[in-house]
Amino acid sequence: QKEVEQDPGPLSVPEGAIVSLNCTYSNSAFQYFMWYRQYSRKGPELLMYTYSSGNKEDGRFTAQVDKSSKYISLFIRDSQPSDSATYLCAMNKAAGNKLTFGGGTRVLVKP
Amino acid sequence: DAEITQSPRHKITETGRQVTLACHQTWNHNNMFWYRQDLGHGLRLIHYSYGVHDTNKGEVSDGYSVSRSNTEDLPLTLESAASSQTSVYFCASSESGSTDTQYFGPGTRLTVL
Repeated sequence: QKEVEQDPGPLSVPEGAIVSLNCTYSNSAFQYFMWYRQYSRKGPELLMYTYSSGNKEDGRFTAQVDKSSKYISLFIRDSQPSDSATYLCAMNKAAGNKLTFGGGTRVLVKP
Repeated sequence: DAEITQSPRHKITETGRQVTLACHQTWNHNNMFWYRQDLGHGLRLIHYSYGVHDTNKGEVSDGYSVSRSNTEDLPLTLESAASSQTSVYFCASSESGSTDTQYFGPGTRLTVL
């Protein structure tokens, strides 16, 4: 069993809809949680970063962490065709430790 | 502007050949990483380095090696390429004391025939 599980999708939504993405993990030692966005044939780029449980909002993006359930989420409001990409969750046990990535979810936002 | 580059962007080689993929960053980051990305497996860590002359094995290091002779470069060598090493390879770097914000290169698509 992988340490971090993520539905590969694709997740197809109409423009303007809310996109809901999530990851589950098995190691309770994970403390820092990130979401990376990867466009086709490009390298991943950091989108959101959260520490421990709670919510974090940045523009149209909201990241949630529920450590008791070992579950993290990313919500994209008012989705745009430019949000079409693969979204990867990542996490580590302490700042400075190497990251463990989920497999990524491919998102398609249709105009 | 600071950046991270990889070369070549595409490579086709034959089984058994030695292949070296280059990674160069101009951020002066101490931390550098090599990943491979395959369908169904996401990003898997091959090797990483926290500074000059420091190298560490990741979860899928068999058949790969790295060396770090300066801050800017971390070349990845496939000693004897195998078809199972056909993949997209990404290099990344981050500041000392933090591996949370990693900056990724554009990737190298390697095909081993």
